[in-house]
Amino acid sequence: AQSVTQPDIHITVSEGASLELRCNYSYGATPYLFWYVQSPGQGLQLLLKYFSGDTLVQGIKGFEAEFKRSQSSFNLRKPSVHWSDAAEYFCAVVPTGGGNKLTFGTGTQLKVEL
Amino acid sequence: DAGVIQSPRHEVTEMGQEVTLRCKPISGHDYLFWYRQTMMRGLELLIYFNNNVPIDDSGMPEDRFSAKMPNASFSTLKIQPSEPRDSAVYFCASSLGQGAGGGYTFGSGTRLTVV
Repeated sequence: AQSVTQPDIHITVSEGASLELRCNYSYGATPYLFWYVQSPGQGLQLLLKYFSGDTLVQGIKGFEAEFKRSQSSFNLRKPSVHWSDAAEYFCAVVPTGGGNKLTFGTGTQLKVEL
Repeated sequence: DAGVIQSPRHEVTEMGQEVTLRCKPISGHDYLFWYRQTMMRGLELLIYFNNNVPIDDSGMPEDRFSAKMPNASFSTLKIQPSEPRDSAVYFCASSLGQGAGGGYTFGSGTRLTVV
């Protein structure tokens, strides 16, 4: 079955530490891939997206993500986390075979310790 | 552009009442989506439209839910009658083109509480 999985429900990092949030997908063909961030009580903001080409994608707020076809993964990274990065992060996909259905993973709640 | 605009931001209603949520997509976007977010089920796609036509409503939970898009600049999601289990945050999003080449832009959401 087609799915997008975020294995980590909660992650806690210290401010200034590096961050990696995991995302795996299970689709017949590589889907379009997205990362969104949601601050408490807010809507969803697009961090970055991957359609094709360079497998390392740069986004806003200093985030980047790497697409690895062999691992069916699209992990989000940041070299140095700031306290303001505390939020919930969602990986999302749109199948490339037609349709325009954006499906979200279950999300990873990031806590930043000062 | 003002982005995707949803109203109201908060809605508290009594069980059995009709609730109407509203959405104004970004001008020029041809896709519109309604999502529901709950702690238990996460972000669920309820329905989406292309050029004002419903394309996929498989996520609509039951007949109590209905959505319309009478024109390119307005959509509604109606729940009648409402039940406590409908309490959630409802998001509207819009995008341009197939495959989300333009990205999906989300509104700030409507927090619905049914008591």
